[in-house]
Amino acid sequence: GENVEQHPSTLSVQEGDSAVIKCTYSDSASNYFPWYKQELGKRPQLIIDIRSNVGEKKDQRIAVTLNKTAKHFSLHITETQPEDSAVYFCAATLPGGYSTLTFGKGTMLLVSP
Amino acid sequence: KAGVTQTPRYLIKTRGQQVTLSCSPISGHRSVSWYQQTPGQGLQFLFEYFSETQRNKGNFPGRFSGRQFSNSRSEMNVSTLELGDSALYLCASSPGGPNEAFFGQGTRLTVV
Repeated sequence: GENVEQHPSTLSVQEGDSAVIKCTYSDSASNYFPWYKQELGKRPQLIIDIRSNVGEKKDQRIAVTLNKTAKHFSLHITETQPEDSAVYFCAATLPGGYSTLTFGKGTMLLVSP
Repeated sequence: KAGVTQTPRYLIKTRGQQVTLSCSPISGHRSVSWYQQTPGQGLQFLFEYFSETQRNKGNFPGRFSGRQFSNSRSEMNVSTLELGDSALYLCASSPGGPNEAFFGQGTRLTVV
């Protein structure tokens, strides 16, 4: 089955800095890669996603890049703000039309004012 | 549009008991998936249901089971509870296929 590795496990940055979180996946047939943000005590919420036929996607301060050859995708957050502090999870769906998500272990991002 | 609703929010059970958790997906969504979240293991997949059929199952013992009803509502059951079953159980609703999954607030299960 699919396996997703995520690094780093914790990331501390100063407000205004950029943050990058990296994930690798094992199944080359996976075709959908969402990123979820989970604040303390809250549910995971989608912040951005990318499909396998796209190399990069941006939404304001957030961007995701996908390298299918290397089976690698990354989340980039620019101009970080204290409210960006949360746990971020990358995920990959199983190929074959499933909604099943395989998650990375998560990255705790701390943005200091 | 109402979001994903999970009940109950909190549960305390004793080892050996069984428990049933409920999930009501977003109206029109036919896929419901369940995940177990623990500090050590992160988010682990339990099951995926689509139109009342279990499409996929994660690597959990047979004590974990689930079902989906014709209105897409889903339940999961855990029998013979163990201390290690203490976790946040999240369900996710989606239209089906590789699309955005919307999570419920979860059920916090504590086994004592």
